[in-house]
Amino acid sequence: GDSVTQMEGPVTLSEEAFLTINCTYTATGYPSLFWYVQYPGEGLQLLLKATKADDKGSNKGFEATYRKETTSFHLEKGSVQVSDSAVYFCALSMNTGFQKLVFGTGTRLLVSP
Amino acid sequence: ETGVTQSPTHLIKTRGQQVTLRCSSQSGHNTVSWYQQALGQGPQFIFQYYREEENGRGNFPPRFSGLQFPNYSSELNVNALELDDSALYLCASSFPSSSYNEQFFGPGTRLTVL
Repeated sequence: GDSVTQMEGPVTLSEEAFLTINCTYTATGYPSLFWYVQYPGEGLQLLLKATKADDKGSNKGFEATYRKETTSFHLEKGSVQVSDSAVYFCALSMNTGFQKLVFGTGTRLLVSP
Repeated sequence: ETGVTQSPTHLIKTRGQQVTLRCSSQSGHNTVSWYQQALGQGPQFIFQYYREEENGRGNFPPRFSGLQFPNYSSELNVNALELDDSALYLCASSFPSSSYNEQFFGPGTRLTVL
C-alpha cells in the first residue's frame, strides 16, 4: 500500500542553522504531497503542498520539492528559529477515489537559542 | 470563517465503555475525515464521510463508527473501549477538488482509556 517514510528525530539545531528533514514515499500512482506541522498540544496545520512532479511548495521560509525520480519530498529551511520547534509530518494523498492522507511517523524539531 | 472545531477537548473513560466525539467542519466543507494519532505516531486514517455517507474506511474494527449530519458536522463513536484506543482523535474537513485534497484539521480530542 501507499506509505511515507520520514527521518527519525529528534532533530536538534541551534537558531539560524539550516534544516533538512527527509521524506520519501511509496505510491502506486502520482500523489499530492504535503508537510504538516504540529505544535505542542495542538492539531495539525498545513505547512506546504505540491501536487505534481517538480512542483516546489513553500511557506514561512520552508520549502520542499516534489521529486518523482527519487520519490522524495524533503523539507528545508535556511535559518530556523526557536518558534519552529514542533513535530513535522510528511503526508501523501492520492488524487483518485476517496482522498485520505497517509502520514509518516513525524520528526520532532528542537531549536535552541 | 470558522475553522474546524472538536469537542470535548479531553475525555477519560474506562475499558469497555462507549464514547462519542464531535466535529464541526469548516464553513463550506462537505467532507469530514477522522484520524487516530497514538502518542509519538503519525495520524492513522479511520474513515471519511461525504454528504452523510461513509465513502472510505481505514483498517479499524467495526466498533469504530461514525455519522455525518445535514450540516456536515460529524460524530465518531467508539464502542467497547480498549486501552489501545487512548490517543488524540483528529477531525479534518475538506471540499474535494479535482486536483488535490487539502484537509483542514481541528485541535483534536484527547481520549484516555483507563
